[in-house]
Amino acid sequence: DADVTQTPRNRITKTGKRIMLECSQTKGHDRMYWYRQDPGLGLRLIYYSFDVKDINKGEISDGYSVSRQAQAKFSLSLESAIPNQTALYFCATSGTGTVNTGELFFGEGSRLTVL
Amino acid sequence: AQSVTQLGSHVSVSEGALVLLRCNYSSSVPPYLFWYVQYPNQGLQLLLKYTSAATLVKGINGFEAEFKKSETSFHLTKPSAHMSDAAEYFCAVSESGAAGNKLTFGGGTRVLVKP
Repeated sequence: DADVTQTPRNRITKTGKRIMLECSQTKGHDRMYWYRQDPGLGLRLIYYSFDVKDINKGEISDGYSVSRQAQAKFSLSLESAIPNQTALYFCATSGTGTVNTGELFFGEGSRLTVL
Repeated sequence: AQSVTQLGSHVSVSEGALVLLRCNYSSSVPPYLFWYVQYPNQGLQLLLKYTSAATLVKGINGFEAEFKKSETSFHLTKPSAHMSDAAEYFCAVSESGAAGNKLTFGGGTRVLVKP
């Protein structure tokens, strides 16, 4: 099983619908991230969380919200989806202290299409 | 603020030829630098990283990269391309010593390997 699991892997929805993307991890990491990937733009940070009580906005947080339900779970919500939120979304984790190698560990991505 | 520029969104190489992917960064503090690879329908995985130790960094699958502070570059090379190297490659930077692992990614370079 993957260390970082994202659900759903693919989703097609309509403009105005609420969508939640879920991420769970078994790596025991405190830090979790949501990135968005668009062709030619690379990955851009939406939100990140350093522990259960910590939530921070990234560079493109408008139109998104997150919830850190537990150390292992971090969900991303689109309250009212719009077509320009069509993208590939990645959840990632990283360690702290002695397990902090500077590396992010990524899930396999959730492809969202908003019609 | 930190940023990454990858020169060339697409690179085509012949099997057995040199692979050279260019990455230039800007950072206000000494950087940590990373190369990630993304195979089709998969998440990103780490190829190699520079964290202020040796300037020539060796990674997986025969790839290496050299940190050149004077040129603010971290180009990725592989002496002999293999068909399995066809993928998208991302360069990323984070601020060394800063809290967290917020990576800033370049736009990506897609590599096509011709037989």
